[in-house]
Amino acid sequence: GENVEQHPSTLSVQEGDSAVIKCTYSDSASNYFPWYKQELGKGPQLIIDIRSNVGEKKDQRIAVTLNKTAKHFSLHITETQPEDSAVYFCAASIEWYKLSFGAGTTVTVRA
Amino acid sequence: GAVVSQHPSWVICKSGTSVKIECRSLDFQATTMFWYRQFPKQSLMLMATSNEGSKATYEQGVEKDKFLINHASLTLSTLTVTSAHPEDSSFYICSAEALGGQFFGPGTRLTVL
Repeated sequence: GENVEQHPSTLSVQEGDSAVIKCTYSDSASNYFPWYKQELGKGPQLIIDIRSNVGEKKDQRIAVTLNKTAKHFSLHITETQPEDSAVYFCAASIEWYKLSFGAGTTVTVRA
Repeated sequence: GAVVSQHPSWVICKSGTSVKIECRSLDFQATTMFWYRQFPKQSLMLMATSNEGSKATYEQGVEKDKFLINHASLTLSTLTVTSAHPEDSSFYICSAEALGGQFFGPGTRLTVL
C-alpha cells in the first residue's frame, strides 16, 4: 500500500516568514496529492491539492510543488500569519480515493 | 459548496452501550463517504468506505460487527459503535467526495466511560 512520510513534525516560524513542509510517497501510481489544515478539535480542511499532470499550483499565499520522478511534494506558505498556526497533513491517493495521510506537521507562527 | 456535517459533535456514553454518529453532505450528493478515526496528536486512520446502497468496505483490522456503517441515501451515512468500550474513545471523522476531492466533516468526539 501507499506510504506517506511527512517532515518536519513540528515547525515554528516568525510571523511574516515562510513555512515549508515536505512529503514523500511510495506508490508511483498515486496521482492526487491534497493538503489539509486541521485546527484543534475540528475536522481537516482542504487547503490546496495537486494532480500529477501539474508540477506546481498556487493559491494566494499557499503553493504546492510536485516532483513525480523523486516522488515528493511540498507545501509552501508565504507571509505566515498567526491564523496559519495549525496541524497540516499531506496525503496521496489514486484519484481522490482512499487517501493515505502523512503523520502531520504542527505549525506555530510566532507573533 | 462541498459542506459536510456530523452529529453529534461530541458524545459521552457508558461502557457497553451503542452510539450512532451521522454524517451528512449538505449541498451535494455523495455516492461514497469515508469514516476515519483519529487518536490525539496522531494522523487520520481510514476505517471504512461507505457506499450508497451497498455494503461498506472495511480496512484491515477494523471489526465490521463493531463499527456498523449504513449509507442509506446520497446525503447520509451513519456509523454505529456497538457495545462501546473505553478503548473506542476517539475522534471520529467522516468525509465525502466532491469536486474531485475529499471534504471532511467537523468530527465527533466519543468518550466511553
